[in-house]
Amino acid sequence: GDSVTQMEGPVTLSEEAFLTINCTYTATGYPSLFWYVQYPGEGLQLLLKATKADDKGSNKGFEATYRKETTSFHLEKGSVQVSDSAVYFCALSPLNAGGTSYGKLTFGQGTILTVHP
Amino acid sequence: DAGVIQSPRHEVTEMGQEVTLRCKPISGHDYLFWYRQTMMRGLELLIYFNNNVPIDDSGMPEDRFSAKMPNASFSTLKIQPSEPRDSAVYFCASGGHEQYFGPGTRLTVT
Repeated sequence: GDSVTQMEGPVTLSEEAFLTINCTYTATGYPSLFWYVQYPGEGLQLLLKATKADDKGSNKGFEATYRKETTSFHLEKGSVQVSDSAVYFCALSPLNAGGTSYGKLTFGQGTILTVHP
Repeated sequence: DAGVIQSPRHEVTEMGQEVTLRCKPISGHDYLFWYRQTMMRGLELLIYFNNNVPIDDSGMPEDRFSAKMPNASFSTLKIQPSEPRDSAVYFCASGGHEQYFGPGTRLTVT
């Protein structure tokens, strides 16, 4: 079945450091890929997405590129801020033969990011 | 748009009591999902609906849990009887290709 594997956390960085959170997936066909972020005490929010190979999703300084050859969707940010401290979830949504979504997302286990001033 | 609305935001109850969690999805969304999040197990999908019809309830932990979606604008998740191990944050999400999460209900069963 489909699965998503994220790098083990927690990740602790100093402000302005470079961030990478690795995500790899296993799926049949051509899934859509997502990064969600969960701030303390809140629900998950969609951070960025990519729907086909070589697409780059970006938002709030974060980027991730859909790499079909390595089945990866690594999250990066060039300079993190204290306000980026949160839990980050990688997820995939399989598409059926008609190219429409099944609706159900498969999530990774989440990676806790803490950024110190 | 107000986003996904969940109530109550916090619920504290005693073991054996019935608990009902409520969700109002974003208007126009075809899918509705119920998740549970704990430190030990992470984020778990319990059940999801498409056009008010339950599609997959394989994540519902046991018969004490039930979920309904009587119309496109309302869903409930019920636990009867509740147990301490049900303590968790319960999220409702709606959407289609993307999911939009509510703020969650923090349930504590003592």
